[in-house]
Amino acid sequence: NAGVMQNPRHLVRRRGQEARLRCSPMKGHSHVYWYRQLPEEGLKFMVYLQKENIIDESGMPKERFSAEFPKEGPSILRIQQVVRGDSAAYFCASSPGWGPGLYEQYFGPGTRLTVT
Amino acid sequence: QQQVKQSPQSLIVQKGGISIINCAYENTAFDYFPWYQQFPGKGPALLIAIRPDVSEKKEGRFTISFNKSAKQFSLHIMDSQPGDSATYFCAARYNFNKFYFGSGTKLNVKP
Repeated sequence: NAGVMQNPRHLVRRRGQEARLRCSPMKGHSHVYWYRQLPEEGLKFMVYLQKENIIDESGMPKERFSAEFPKEGPSILRIQQVVRGDSAAYFCASSPGWGPGLYEQYFGPGTRLTVT
Repeated sequence: QQQVKQSPQSLIVQKGGISIINCAYENTAFDYFPWYQQFPGKGPALLIAIRPDVSEKKEGRFTISFNKSAKQFSLHIMDSQPGDSATYFCAARYNFNKFYFGSGTKLNVKP
């Protein structure tokens, strides 16, 4: 029973390039969340998605950031024209969306983005 | 504005001692309070959680104490072990699926 999968684990991009982070939720989970963690800080909510729908994107920067969770395939967090301030660990979490633990979140290992 | 305030930032405890981490919140609409454990290079893992209608929950060496009137909750790790050395995050849930995390406590248990 695989947990939440994220890839790549480490990503290096030059300023101005695009970063694509992928997240495959746990089997049977239909809700996906993305968080950003800066060094020595807690996790900051970015966006909450269900299949083909963005439910809450109140934590997403208005520009350059977008997220999707298509009917088939992983959820993607896309950062266009990256800047040094985007360097952080990005974590994906999933929850079942049903049953007694419907909103309990299970985290992936994260993608560490470094912008040079 | 920090929705959940966590302290201390770091903590050193001797093996066998009690580790105590505290969190405070303001929003009375929060309805679920989990604690996560994170090892370096890994994602946070759910450790233990409590709902606001319960004052204490214990699982093995880990206990959450919850004070609804004071809007505070804390994690106690009894008989702390070097393997418990990690960063601990408290969190609070709003509207079923939005979680606010504390800033984390780095725990170091000395052998």
